[in-house]
Amino acid sequence: SQTIHQWPATLVQPVGSPLSLECTVEGTSNPNLYWYRQAAGRGLQLLFYSVGIGQISSEVPQNLSASRPQDRQFILSSKKLLLSDSGFYLCAWSVPAGGAGTGELFFGEGSRLTVL
Amino acid sequence: SQKIEQNSEALNIQEGKTATLTCNYTNYSPAYLQWYRQDPGRGPVFLLLIRENEKEKRKERLKVTFDTTLKQSLFHITASQPADSATYLCALGRGNKLVFGAGTILRVKS
Repeated sequence: SQTIHQWPATLVQPVGSPLSLECTVEGTSNPNLYWYRQAAGRGLQLLFYSVGIGQISSEVPQNLSASRPQDRQFILSSKKLLLSDSGFYLCAWSVPAGGAGTGELFFGEGSRLTVL
Repeated sequence: SQKIEQNSEALNIQEGKTATLTCNYTNYSPAYLQWYRQDPGRGPVFLLLIRENEKEKRKERLKVTFDTTLKQSLFHITASQPADSATYLCALGRGNKLVFGAGTILRVKS
């Protein structure tokens, strides 16, 4: 069966420090991968998605970046965190459905980031 | 830019009644629409998917409708139970990109 792992679960970082959140998927090949951010009491904001190794689509211009060094690994990074980067970060994967788009998303447990 | 609107106020209903949640959208032509459930501090969990050429989908006590003319989806939970209390998110998709609404909190009281 497929599983998704996301870490760390919680972190507190000072403004200006770097960030690295990692997500890995097991039990599937060539998944679509996604990073979303959810601010307190808000909906999910799509940050990045990837349909293959090295292929990253950025949805929101900001100081975050994403990389997909391996088929089932997706990394979210920042060189210098801002206060506004605080939030609940969710990684997700889906099975590509070709011309029909993507199927259901399977989410990780999330990483709660607090920037002080 | 595209906009997805879900009721920002919580929906409070009595156990056994039908809960109806609304998702409206503008400036977008989604090929499909999905509904998710999210519990506090957890990632969303998929419930239903409906495509643009479908009018209605059902799964157990859940029903979703999709009206591309009105640009609206309705999500129904029949015979609601306190365990159905959660935040429900709609998501619109075209290609591999899926965009979420802010969600509606549902509270089912016994």
